[in-house]
Amino acid sequence: EVQLLESGGGLVQPGGSLRLSCAASVSTFSDYGMSWVRQAPGKGLEWVSGISASGGITSYADSVKGRFIISRDNSKNTVYLQMNSLRADDTAIYYCTTGYYYHFEFWGQGTLVTVSS
Amino acid sequence: EIVLTQSPGTLSLSPGERATLSCRASQSVTSSYLAWYQQKPGQAPRLLIYGASSRATGIPDRFSGSGSGTDFTLSISRLEPEDFAVYYCQQYGSSPRTFGQGTKVEIK
Repeated sequence: EVQLLESGGGLVQPGGSLRLSCAASVSTFSDYGMSWVRQAPGKGLEWVSGISASGGITSYADSVKGRFIISRDNSKNTVYLQMNSLRADDTAIYYCTTGYYYHFEFWGQGTLVTVSS
Repeated sequence: EIVLTQSPGTLSLSPGERATLSCRASQSVTSSYLAWYQQKPGQAPRLLIYGASSRATGIPDRFSGSGSGTDFTLSISRLEPEDFAVYYCQQYGSSPRTFGQGTKVEIK
């Protein structure tokens, strides 16, 4: 089983930046595509971004394209989400999950991002 | 973008009853790349079904998935107290990956 631990969330002002990290406890991290999924308070799930196992292919939801950047460091078993130009509607719990070309099998517990002045 | 529409929005049932949840896609889902997730309050989602009908590891056999193309169904044969939760469908065959808006299964 894969365990995922997100970090980096917090309170940020509109227009600001945050970088989320997700550390995976698995020896075969480089075999897994990874995704970020968010959930605004009281709302449903929204896929945000995904990255292939090698890191060579990335994809984004239209709502974050041009503002967020997903990356990974397979030597550190970690995937990142750099979030720039944050807006109030980016406020959500951000979940890291295994999966990109396939189903999202393992999920972290999430990290809360609040965008507010 | 493939839009997934789940129905009903809320399902009120008693323990022991059968639950049938629907997920309809705005266009055909590639290779039945359709998954179902369960989410309880304050918890991360949990994978139940992938490939439209394959149960994930450790998922009880009272959960079953079916369908293809644009119409998919999640069935729970006999509701247990721990099954009352929100259920989401998701397609992962096309980009962007998309989720349905969720169906809440509540105790009647």
